[in-house]
Amino acid sequence: EAGVAQSPRYKIIEKRQSVAFWCNPISGHATLYWYQQILGQGPKLLIQFQNNGVVDDSQLPKDRFSAERLKGVDSTLKIQPAKLEDSAVYLCASSLGQRVFTDTQYFGPGTRLTVL
Amino acid sequence: GQQVMQIPQYQHVQEGEDFTTYCNSSTTLSNIQWYKQRPGGHPVFLIQLVKSGEVKKQKRLTFQFGEAKKNSSLHITATQTTDVGTYFCAGADTNAGKSTFGDGTTLTVKP
Repeated sequence: EAGVAQSPRYKIIEKRQSVAFWCNPISGHATLYWYQQILGQGPKLLIQFQNNGVVDDSQLPKDRFSAERLKGVDSTLKIQPAKLEDSAVYLCASSLGQRVFTDTQYFGPGTRLTVL
Repeated sequence: GQQVMQIPQYQHVQEGEDFTTYCNSSTTLSNIQWYKQRPGGHPVFLIQLVKSGEVKKQKRLTFQFGEAKKNSSLHITATQTTDVGTYFCAGADTNAGKSTFGDGTTLTVKP
């Protein structure tokens, strides 16, 4: 079974530039999560999709971050414009989505973003 | 809002010593999950606890869920170098409609 795929793996940009990350979840997984993991901290949920609908985006900085999940499969997360404090690893995870709070989350390798 | 705290933040042990990390939630949890993240890697699911007072074992790892369902612990017996990594708990509060990760305990093992 293929895992969660993410690209790019690394990205370096200057502040005020824009950047986009892509995630392809495990086939058949209805729920998709985007997390931000700052060095030394736990993953912080940015947005959670159930199929192509948003379940929770309460911690997404909507003035600069946006995410979409077209057709309930792949997802993109965009930052525009980036700030220095956005430097982090952006993790995508997916789960079956049948019972959201008891589902196992499968994480992708992450995208390490450095904002200079 | 819900807060999930883990202690200690770091633990350095000699190979063969035991290790314990604790997870405490500000709210009552419906379940708790534990994940391991190797250096440079991504979180990998270890186990889920659902019932009050539940204890589960995986080889040298023992997981406990508190009676009040507000705390949990992970104990590793006789650590090995392969145990190195950061251990995260993620607590689900279904009343709040949220699951929150703690900041993890990073374990280093000296051979």
